[in-house]
Amino acid sequence: SYVLTQPPSVSVAPGKTARITCGGNNIGSKSVHWYQQKAGQAPILIIYFESDRPSGIPERFSGSNSGNTATLTITRVEVGDEADYYCQVLDSNSDHPVFGGGTKLTVL
Amino acid sequence: EVQLVESGGGVIRPGGSLRLSCAGSGFTFGDYGMSWVRQAPGKGLEWVSGIKWNGGSTHYADSVKGRFTISRDNAKNSLSLQMNSLRVEDTALYYCARANGSLTTLPVDYWGRGTLVTVSS
Repeated sequence: SYVLTQPPSVSVAPGKTARITCGGNNIGSKSVHWYQQKAGQAPILIIYFESDRPSGIPERFSGSNSGNTATLTITRVEVGDEADYYCQVLDSNSDHPVFGGGTKLTVL
Repeated sequence: EVQLVESGGGVIRPGGSLRLSCAGSGFTFGDYGMSWVRQAPGKGLEWVSGIKWNGGSTHYADSVKGRFTISRDNAKNSLSLQMNSLRVEDTALYYCARANGSLTTLPVDYWGRGTLVTVSS
């Protein structure tokens, strides 16, 4: 089955830019979605189809995807952005959704 | 406002059965693919099962295939997950999740708050 690899943790200072990667074999050929999960809450969709944002998601959140790496970029990071972030794609062999292991973003 | 409310979780012995339900409101339930996604304590998200808008197609993760059955009743705006032969490793918070369209291959745009299933002897 298709495997997505995320760094377990990323740390960033407030106001700086955070980049969270999601690695997978030729992931650039797939549509990538990103979810944010704050402590004790259900996930929410923050980026879909690489770079689209649902209504209500700030423009500070953006996505890109090329080669073997997809990236979620958060500019002007705020304390409120502290959360776990998950990437997700569709395994084309099974048509099943696959999630990355998640990255905990810490705002120092 | 879109709402998904899960119920049916609890503590169950290994080998037992449990049926989870999800009540949807605030949208036309029958227009959307629906899924169950679980999260073991302190772990990441794991897709479990999905069902197309009309129930005509169902999919299961290898880890639950043959043990879990997903179903839906669009007239009652409800989604179910029948879980049989439960294992300790099925212990998790189970989320009801709505796809961003009629197919479960689409991203999840709404999540419930989850119902906790604990499998323990």
